[in-house]
Parts: sequence; C-alpha cells; structure tokens
Amino acid sequence: SQTIHQWPATLVQPVGSPLSLECTVEGTSNPNLYWYRQAAGRGLQLLFYSVGIGQISSEVPQNLSASRPQDRQFILSSKKLLLSDSGFYLCAWSKWNSPLHFGNGTRLTVT
Amino acid sequence: ELKVEQNPLFLSMQEGKNYTIYCNYSTTSDRLYWYRQDPGKSLESLFVLLSNGAVKQEGRLMASLDTKARLSTLHITAAVHDLSATYFCAVDIVRYGGSQGNLIFGKGTKLSVKP
Repeated sequence: SQTIHQWPATLVQPVGSPLSLECTVEGTSNPNLYWYRQAAGRGLQLLFYSVGIGQISSEVPQNLSASRPQDRQFILSSKKLLLSDSGFYLCAWSKWNSPLHFGNGTRLTVT
Repeated sequence: ELKVEQNPLFLSMQEGKNYTIYCNYSTTSDRLYWYRQDPGKSLESLFVLLSNGAVKQEGRLMASLDTKARLSTLHITAAVHDLSATYFCAVDIVRYGGSQGNLIFGKGTKLSVKP
C-alpha cells in the first residue's frame, strides 16, 4: 500500500531564516506531487505541482520554491521566511482519477 | 477563474438530525472530491465523484454530483458527535494533457454535532 511521509510535524522559525520541508511517497511510482498551504481559518491553497522529476509548476507568486530531486521526493524551500509564510503545509500525491492523499502536515510558525 | 463555494460555512447540529452541505462550482468539471479534516489534522478523502449523477455513500454520509447544475451535496443522516469536523469539497481542473490536474478547494464547512 502507498504511504506518504512528511516532516517535520511542527516548526518554529525566525523571520529571515531558511526553510526546508520534505515529503516522500512509498508504494507507488511516478505520482503527481503537490504542496498545499492552509492558513489559519482558511481553505487550502495550491502552491506547487509536479508531474515528474525536475518538473515543477508554481501556482502563486511567493518567496517559496519546490524541487523534486527523485521520483517520490518533494521538497519545499525558502531562502528567507516571512511572517506571512506561517501556516499548515500539506504534501499530497495522486494518480489519474484518484483523490489526493495527504501527508500529516507541517505546522510552521514564523516569529 | 474557477470558484468553489460551500454553504453553510458553519453548521451546528443536534445528534439524530439530518442536514445537507452544498458545494457549487463555477466552471465545467466532472471530478469532485469530498474531504474531512479534524482539528489540527490532515485531510482524509471521503468520496470521489467522477461523473454526472454519481452517488456515493459511506455510513451516515452520502455525496452526490450534478455536473449540469455544477452542484455537489454531502448529506448527513442521523448525525452523531463523531462526525464533528470540517468538510471540504474540491473540484479538479484537468491540465497537462491527461494527467490529473489541480484541485480547487472550497472554504470548508465546520460541522459541530451536539448531544
């Protein structure tokens, strides 16, 4: 069966510090991978989407970036965090006609 | 631009009662998903609706899709406290020539079931 791992679960970082969140999927190959963000009390916003290694689509302009160095690995990064980057970050995977399968999420607080 | 609107956004129910959550979307799509989120937790897939007239049921929850009306409903029958959570609908935008596209989520309906 497929599983998705996301870490860390919680993170507190000062403004201006770098960020690296990692997500890996097991039990499937060539999945579509996603990074979503959920701000407090709001819905989910798609940040990045990837259909394959090295292929990244950005949905919103921001100071975040994503990379897919391996088929089942998806990384969300920032060089300098802003206060507005605080939120609940969710990695997800899918394949054709299947729902998104979400990781447990990372709660990021930028102070 | 695709918009997905859920209503109500907040719903307080008594146990044993029935209610329906509505999800309207603004453009053509024949893929709609329902998710559940418990406080502080990730999202759990509930239903995948892939065609007009699709109806799926799991326990006290039943979801349906009317693509002509661009409407999906999530019906709750005889609510129990364990159903308290936030429920999201999400509509698929198919891009990239055949691969699954991106989901646009509604704002969620926060359901509270009280004894």
